[in-house]
Amino acid sequence: DAGITQSPRHKVTETGTPVTLRCHQTENHRYMYWYRQDPGHGLRLIHYSYGVKDTDKGEVSDGYSVSRSKTEDFLLTLESATSSQTSVYFCATTPSGSYEQYFGPGTRLTVT
Amino acid sequence: AQSVTQPDIHITVSEGASLELRCNYSYGATPYLFWYVQSPGQGLQLLLKYFSGDTLVQGIKGFEAEFKRSQSSFNLRKPSVHWSDAAEYFCAVGASNSGYALNFGKGTSLLVTP
Repeated sequence: DAGITQSPRHKVTETGTPVTLRCHQTENHRYMYWYRQDPGHGLRLIHYSYGVKDTDKGEVSDGYSVSRSKTEDFLLTLESATSSQTSVYFCATTPSGSYEQYFGPGTRLTVT
Repeated sequence: AQSVTQPDIHITVSEGASLELRCNYSYGATPYLFWYVQSPGQGLQLLLKYFSGDTLVQGIKGFEAEFKRSQSSFNLRKPSVHWSDAAEYFCAVGASNSGYALNFGKGTSLLVTP
């Protein structure tokens, strides 16, 4: 499996505060993704990156921004957290030209 | 857009019984299809995948899935379920317009009874 770590693993924050989640990979995979998982919805794509400084929106991107300054790191930022962003966030990576994705362990975010 | 439907939200089977989890996809061309498993509090682990070729694919942990184009289905099967198979199962299809991202079904929760 690809070496994918996410930090923090758990976070509780208050409405209106900024939050940044980090995904770090050691496999030199080109593509990286952020998904959120909610009961009854499966996993939904927030943003993805197809290279350093190259990112694009997914299905549920409102309220989120991302950055990728190095191949190995993909950051997800909630500029002003809302209770609707309480979720489990998963990072995933894939090499070029492959749909086979490798997932990180997830970050459980609670916005109170 | 490509999408998958998992008709069963919850399934309960007895240990040792056979299992079939349903997945239907919507896509015009040959899809890239996956089954992932998620144990409680864990990340997602790839069980198996279908890209092309033999329509019956074997995966890890004794699982298999069959691609049926005529039925737009990719059902997951296991001949004899173990208590450790209790988990959430997700079917996914490759999304062609999102940089190799996946579109996931909503998942099927499997409960295994003694």
